[in-house]
Amino acid sequence: DGGITQSPKYLFRKEGQNVTLSCEQNLNHDAMYWYRQDPGQGLRLIYYSQIVNDFQKGDIAEGYSVSREKKESFPLTVTSAQKNPTAFYLCAAKSRDSEQFFGPGTRLTVL
Amino acid sequence: DQQVKQNSPSLSVQEGRISILNCDYTNSMFDYFLWYKKYPAEGPTFLISISSIKDKNEDGRFTVFLNKSAKHLSLHIVPSQPGDSAVYFCAATPRASGTYKYIFGTGTRLKVLA
Repeated sequence: DGGITQSPKYLFRKEGQNVTLSCEQNLNHDAMYWYRQDPGQGLRLIYYSQIVNDFQKGDIAEGYSVSREKKESFPLTVTSAQKNPTAFYLCAAKSRDSEQFFGPGTRLTVL
Repeated sequence: DQQVKQNSPSLSVQEGRISILNCDYTNSMFDYFLWYKKYPAEGPTFLISISSIKDKNEDGRFTVFLNKSAKHLSLHIVPSQPGDSAVYFCAATPRASGTYKYIFGTGTRLKVLA
């Protein structure tokens, strides 16, 4: 049963702390993505990776970092430099011949 | 500069009637367009797509129309059902360039009234 796993579903963080959101896929897709969704703002691209060991900044990369050491994993770190981190974070994956397939999301709340 | 725009943040339709969701784009390099459906606290799910070589694509109750000269696409849902109530995002990509990157609109919240 192929898909994308994002964990945890809900995450709380104290202001000033870094936090890492997990994204794992068993679809064997080459490309992976991180988006952020805020009310009324749609899906904004944070980072994406089209192959292992390579990634590109999206439209709102400031305050975030990623790594792509394995094809199936694309973790996102929200650093203390991100000024407004409370949001719903979505991970997606895509192969050459497919559309982007999304995970269930992680809601991050900064207390 | 928003390259993909969904100018209607919300839409209400009676059950059984047609729902029409609209999307405009500005980048002439976009050659592949998609619609995704999203329920609250879930990831979006792919609904239907269209290539720029076509002007219509149909899948069951869902039809997407593309007007390249107007840089406009629309999603028609006929007949609308209460389960269609969700946020709909349109997305575009310049697939011929080899990129896997999508540009999403801000979404339209559809409410189908029983």
